[in-house]
Amino acid sequence: RKEVEQDPGPFNVPEGATVAFNCTYSNSASQSFFWYRQDCRKEPKLLMSVYSSGNEDGRFTAQLNRASQYISLLIRDSKLSDSATYLCVVNRVNDYKLSFGAGTTVTVRA
Amino acid sequence: NAGVTQTPKFQVLKTGQSMTLQCAQDMNHEYMSWYRQDPGMGLRLIHYSVGAGITDQGEVPNGYNVSRSTTEDFPLRLLSAAPSQTSVYFCASSKGQGRYGYTFGSGTRLTVV
Repeated sequence: RKEVEQDPGPFNVPEGATVAFNCTYSNSASQSFFWYRQDCRKEPKLLMSVYSSGNEDGRFTAQLNRASQYISLLIRDSKLSDSATYLCVVNRVNDYKLSFGAGTTVTVRA
Repeated sequence: NAGVTQTPKFQVLKTGQSMTLQCAQDMNHEYMSWYRQDPGMGLRLIHYSVGAGITDQGEVPNGYNVSRSTTEDFPLRLLSAAPSQTSVYFCASSKGQGRYGYTFGSGTRLTVV
């Protein structure tokens, strides 16, 4: 079983729509959680960290459910510029190494 | 402040050739790592380093060597290139144990023919 699993999508949504997707992780000792954004043929860039209480950054909301071992990302009022692959990333306690999901592709259409 | 700099951006090698991918960071990060990214497989860790003089293997280390003589530099060497090493390679660094996330370089697209 992969340590981090994501629905690859693609999620095709119209501008202005809300899109949400999840990621599951297998190691209950995981401590830190992130969403990264990766544009086509570019490097991953940190979108946001995910905190236990959930957190927002503008139109983006991240949630963590430790009991069920998943994190989620919700994008409100989607923009064309939100089209990208979103990587779920997990870090274990006292470990430098991050585990990456394979990514969820979102395409926002005009 | 350049962040993480990778060179070259593109490279074509013949099977059996060797080469070094360069990675340098100017953020005084203690942790550096190399990943490869293949379609549908996500990022896989090749080698990593928690400080100058300290390196360790990741999940796919075969065919690759690394060294960390300074905090800033972490080169990745392909010993004898094989077509299976055709991939996009990313170098990343972090200032502490993974809870701060990583900063990535812009990547090297390698094709082995």
